[in-house]
Amino acid sequence: GAVVSQHPSWVICKSGTSVKIECRSLDFQATTMFWYRQFPKQSLMLMATSNEGSKATYEQGVEKDKFLINHASLTLSTLTVTSAHPEDSSFYICSAKDGTGTDTQYFGPGTRLTVL
Amino acid sequence: GESVGLHLPTLSVQEGDNSIINCAYSNSASDYFIWYKQESGKGPQFIIDIRSNMDKRQGQRVTVLLNKTVKHLSLQIAATQPGDSAVYFCAEWAGTYKYIFGTGTRLKVLA
Repeated sequence: GAVVSQHPSWVICKSGTSVKIECRSLDFQATTMFWYRQFPKQSLMLMATSNEGSKATYEQGVEKDKFLINHASLTLSTLTVTSAHPEDSSFYICSAKDGTGTDTQYFGPGTRLTVL
Repeated sequence: GESVGLHLPTLSVQEGDNSIINCAYSNSASDYFIWYKQESGKGPQFIIDIRSNMDKRQGQRVTVLLNKTVKHLSLQIAATQPGDSAVYFCAEWAGTYKYIFGTGTRLKVLA
């Protein structure tokens, strides 16, 4: 149980385009989802926390107008990188917490974004 | 600010030996910790967790030790196997629906 999927797993896009990444909890309802980015050989950096039906909470330094997060249902959150540039190239990982009160979060497999 | 850090960036261990990966945390109010394993190009995988009311917890071939006095966490892997090669992260539950991750330790298993 507790499986989180992401789609796509790898995306290459041209500079200036927007890219949407989906994060789904497959066998549980995720009241809270988290979005991280990870640069090579570095740790995970939390970008934002999203709760179903409400606006995401962004970490300091993360542009909310550039990284649009939507958590419209208990099983789906999306991250849209708007007007992507090469410096946005990174590994984006989502995680999800269920609503049972436990603190464990389950991670998706990640999405590698390459902006040309 | 609060932080979670790791003492060693890279650990090389002979296959069959035991591995010990360390982590220091600074938030004395944290009450939940998790160890994750991340293989190249993949998302983090849950290994084991521990709450602050415990000082030891064992799983299959893995043991997590928590020393609240010195704010130190360790992950012990028994009989390390090639499949254990990965980057290991400790994460601290900051109590505000946010985890803080350490910098990570790369474990290399030597044949």
